[in-house]
Amino acid sequence: AQSVSQHNHHVILSEAASLELGCNYSYGGTVNLFWYVQYPGQHLQLLLKYFSGDPLVKGIKGFEAEFIKSKFSFNLRKPSVQWSDTAEYFCAVNHNNAGNMLTFGGGTRLMVKP
Amino acid sequence: GAVVSQHPSRVICKSGTSVKIECRSLDFQATTMFWYRQFPKQSLMLMATSNEGSKATYEQGVEKDKFLINHASLTLSTLTVTSAHPEDSSFYICSARDPGAPGEQYFGPGTRLTVT
Repeated sequence: AQSVSQHNHHVILSEAASLELGCNYSYGGTVNLFWYVQYPGQHLQLLLKYFSGDPLVKGIKGFEAEFIKSKFSFNLRKPSVQWSDTAEYFCAVNHNNAGNMLTFGGGTRLMVKP
Repeated sequence: GAVVSQHPSRVICKSGTSVKIECRSLDFQATTMFWYRQFPKQSLMLMATSNEGSKATYEQGVEKDKFLINHASLTLSTLTVTSAHPEDSSFYICSARDPGAPGEQYFGPGTRLTVT
């Protein structure tokens, strides 16, 4: 069965620090990759997505992610975090044999200290 | 972007009663909707895929007789938790498939169910 792993469960950073959240998946075929963010008390929102093309994807709020097929990874990055980035981040994968089903990683809770 | 709403946002019910949660796509037609369950500090677990006009597809381990799903129209799917027990207390989230973007889903704000 397909699985998605986020190795960092909790991350605490100071403002202006750089961020990288890891995401690895197990499916070997064609995949669509997503990062969602859930701010405190709010619903899931799409940060960015990768379907094909340039493996470096830029999303909203200064986030980017790089798809490295050989490593089955889709890590999320931001050069300089802000207090408002405090949220939970979920990596999700859809593969072409699963219709529109998404498999989510366990989530990473990010706290940014002002 | 597309908007998905859920109602109610919070519900408290007594053990043994049934609770219905509605999921609506507000500005697009959703032939497929998904129901997730999220336990505190954990990720989303897919419960079932709801298809308009046909039976829902349940994930392994999810009791279809307990979690009744009805997708009667292209903008509405309902999840009914029957004979609720305290262990059913959780955060239930629905999402709807974006017809124009394969694999992409829009999420509702979730419903927090507490069974006393």
